[in-house]
Amino acid sequence: AQSVTQPDIHITVSEGASLELRCNYSYGATPYLFWYVQSPGQGLQLLLKYFSGDTLVQGIKGFEAEFKRSQSSFNLRKPSVHWSDAAEYFCAVGGFGNEKLTFGTGTRLTIIP
Amino acid sequence: DAGITQSPRHKVTETGTPVTLRCHQTENHRYMYWYRQDPGHGLRLIHYSYGVKDTDKGEVSDGYSVSRSKTEDFLLTLESATSSQTSVYFCASGQAPTNEKLFFGSGTQLSVL
Repeated sequence: AQSVTQPDIHITVSEGASLELRCNYSYGATPYLFWYVQSPGQGLQLLLKYFSGDTLVQGIKGFEAEFKRSQSSFNLRKPSVHWSDAAEYFCAVGGFGNEKLTFGTGTRLTIIP
Repeated sequence: DAGITQSPRHKVTETGTPVTLRCHQTENHRYMYWYRQDPGHGLRLIHYSYGVKDTDKGEVSDGYSVSRSKTEDFLLTLESATSSQTSVYFCASGQAPTNEKLFFGSGTQLSVL
């Protein structure tokens, strides 16, 4: 069975500070990994994805994520957060030919001035 | 972004009544999905479709049925709504299985009293 764990339910950071959101996955084959962002009252938007190759992937809005197979992790990072980054962030796992995408429980990010 | 709309956006209904939620996409995507979002659970897959008249169950399919008679429309039906089905429902679509990104609708807030 495939699963995703996001251990942090809620994170608060100051504007301009760095950010790291944690994601651990379980998948029986080579995983495809995703980070999605959800602004209040909206659907989800893809930030970035990893299929293969370079383990550090760049996404939109200045986000990046690093795939670490040995740790089954795919953590999301941003060097300097902006107030507009306040949202809920979801990590997800799937795989080649796998029609089902499994999401984590999400991490809510609050930005303080 | 992809044109994907959900209707209604909000609905209040009574226990035991049937409810149908509609998802409409204009991108000719082959795959469509229904998720529910609940606090502490993230997004959980209810049903999905991989083509017209081709559907399959997700992890929380009990009490729900779906139909897809046209590429652009994917209906989710609660045959007899229960309070446990109070949730936010999201539709998503994509051209390929999880090796491509999903486009999400803005959600339907359903309250079952």
